[in-house]
Amino acid sequence: GENVEQHPSTLSVQEGDSAVIKCTYSDSASNYFPWYKQELGKRPQLIIDIRSNVGEKKDQRIAVTLNKTAKHFSLHITETQPEDSAVYFCAAEWPGDDKIIFGKGTRLHILP
Amino acid sequence: DAGVTQSPTHLIKTRGQQVTLRCSPKSGHDTVSWYQQALGQGPQFIFQYYEEEERQRGNFPDRFSGHQFPNYSSELNVNALLLGDSALYLCASSGGPRSGNTIYFGEGSWLTVV
Repeated sequence: GENVEQHPSTLSVQEGDSAVIKCTYSDSASNYFPWYKQELGKRPQLIIDIRSNVGEKKDQRIAVTLNKTAKHFSLHITETQPEDSAVYFCAAEWPGDDKIIFGKGTRLHILP
Repeated sequence: DAGVTQSPTHLIKTRGQQVTLRCSPKSGHDTVSWYQQALGQGPQFIFQYYEEEERQRGNFPDRFSGHQFPNYSSELNVNALLLGDSALYLCASSGGPRSGNTIYFGEGSWLTVV
């Protein structure tokens, strides 16, 4: 069935260092992979997304890579800052569905 | 251009009661999906409405039902509430000629069942 695995569940990174969160998906037909950031008490906010015809996408300090053969994708945050502390969710969409399946989330702590 | 709006933002219900949550999609969107996010968990897909019909459904019991109106707004109804139904309920809209796959979440409705 449709499934998205995400790890680690918790990640602590020194301020200024890089953080990497990894996800795998089950259905090779998936073609859209968004990443959401959720701060305490707020809705998930889309921070970056990638489509299956692209291997990498970058937006300032965040980047996402996609390996369709291995069915995994990763979020990279460089030069981390305190405001990066949040829960991050990866997700995958099934073609034509507009239905998003989420990973279980990664709680990112940026240490001073 | 209004985003996705949900109401109410917070509510408290008693076990066994029924609740209705409301959502207005982003302008130009015709598809509404509902998600349940329990504390410390990722959002779980409940169902999706398109053209006033339930198009897809996740692994939720029949106590969860919904509706979509001609103006694309939607309601989520939960009957016979259980303590475990306490969660953040998120509405997401998508569709339209310029949105591609991107979905947009509302602020959510926090439901507490006591």
